[in-house]
Amino acid sequence: DQQVKQNSPSLSVQEGRISILNCDYTNSMFDYFLWYKKYPAEGPTFLISISSIKDKNEDGRFTVFLNKSAKHLSLHIVPSQPGDSAVYFCAAGGATNKLIFGTGTLLAVQP
Amino acid sequence: EAQVTQNPRYLITVTGKKLTVTCSQNMNHEYMSWYRQDPGLGLRQIYYSMNVEVTDKGDVPEGYKVSRKEKRNFPLILESPSPNQTSLYFCASSFSSGTSTDTQYFGPGTRLTVL
Repeated sequence: DQQVKQNSPSLSVQEGRISILNCDYTNSMFDYFLWYKKYPAEGPTFLISISSIKDKNEDGRFTVFLNKSAKHLSLHIVPSQPGDSAVYFCAAGGATNKLIFGTGTLLAVQP
Repeated sequence: EAQVTQNPRYLITVTGKKLTVTCSQNMNHEYMSWYRQDPGLGLRQIYYSMNVEVTDKGDVPEGYKVSRKEKRNFPLILESPSPNQTSLYFCASSFSSGTSTDTQYFGPGTRLTVL
């Protein structure tokens, strides 16, 4: 049973526009959520996180929104740049000391 | 430079031949973990370790072993590899776990093929 789901395997966006990546989860006990970015032939790198007590966290061009009632979070990238092209994983964690990752979304930002 | 290193980066082996993938971190992190990445399945946790001599199963531990004799090292052992363990493996570490600030640092990955 996939506790963290990213239903869009891929997304294509024009440079300068907004990219919105979505993630749904099923376990209401998750305490925090993270987004990781992964380039080919590299390990994932941390991008941004949000605690379950917040509904928004912003870091430069990246903003994560959390809707607990819908068990949904999203990552907004504004403006999108070609260097943002990568696979994005959302992940959720809590008291179990384990991070549960989604399946990833491949973002392609077209120049 | 703060980093997580894994060796080897690429490995082709045959069914049943024991192998070890090493992982080392230089950040004095307490928490270390192994993941495998497979198409359509994302990253799945194999084993994790909260500290030296403390290890626990993740979501897909079958066919794997780990040890944590030193804080910096967390090797992944496949005693008798099988083709379904062909995958991309990542080691990760963090200061601790359980909060949104405990971001994990990942190694570059090990591409394993079991024939």
